[in-house]
Amino acid sequence: EIVMTQSPLSLPVTPGEPASISCRPSQSLLHKNGYNYLDWYLQKPGQPPQLLIYLSSHRASGVPDRFSGSGSGTDFTLRISRVEAEDVGVYYCMQSLQSPCSFGQGTKLEIK
Amino acid sequence: EVQMVQSGAEVKKPGESLKISCKGSGYKFTNYWIGWVRQRPGKGLEWMGLIYPGDSDTRYTPSFRGQVTISADKSINTAYLQWSSLKASDTAMYFCARQAEGDMDFWGTGTTVTVSS
Repeated sequence: EIVMTQSPLSLPVTPGEPASISCRPSQSLLHKNGYNYLDWYLQKPGQPPQLLIYLSSHRASGVPDRFSGSGSGTDFTLRISRVEAEDVGVYYCMQSLQSPCSFGQGTKLEIK
Repeated sequence: EVQMVQSGAEVKKPGESLKISCKGSGYKFTNYWIGWVRQRPGKGLEWMGLIYPGDSDTRYTPSFRGQVTISADKSINTAYLQWSSLKASDTAMYFCARQAEGDMDFWGTGTTVTVSS
């Protein structure tokens, strides 16, 4: 099984400032088709998770362009260019390269 | 519009059986996997397994294999998660989601399962 390690686990951010979250899988997520099977999700308080980024860097429909994903292999990053109050919640990375899929521990973003 | 509609909250006693459901609509049900995710109170997300309703191909995370059963009835566009003998440690929120090219793009609102004597 692939183990996903996120950092930091807690992220206090001032509105308008940037934020970034790291995700490091225990194995490369690069498929022979050239895609990295790494997704990012946000779970807002009291809601189900929502897909933000798929295949490492593709924004899901309706996701603001202040969210971006990058990385390849065993090193991935989610960036928020300017944090807004509505971005609070827990961010998870997930690998779907091989079954079973697996999530990171989650990063809790809070507003300072 | 794609929707995943889950069954309502359940309160059960240890040792009882349970089957919760997830109905997909707004897309061709047999062309996408359905995944299940557990979230214990105050904890993170755990991927349990998934099923392809087209041919009922099913995969499990090893820690959930033998503890739960994932199934689907493609005639009514519904996937299921079931337990034969619940434990207190099964108390959690359970989410289903459509799983496309690996990513889980549409989620249900979750089913709360409480197991208590």
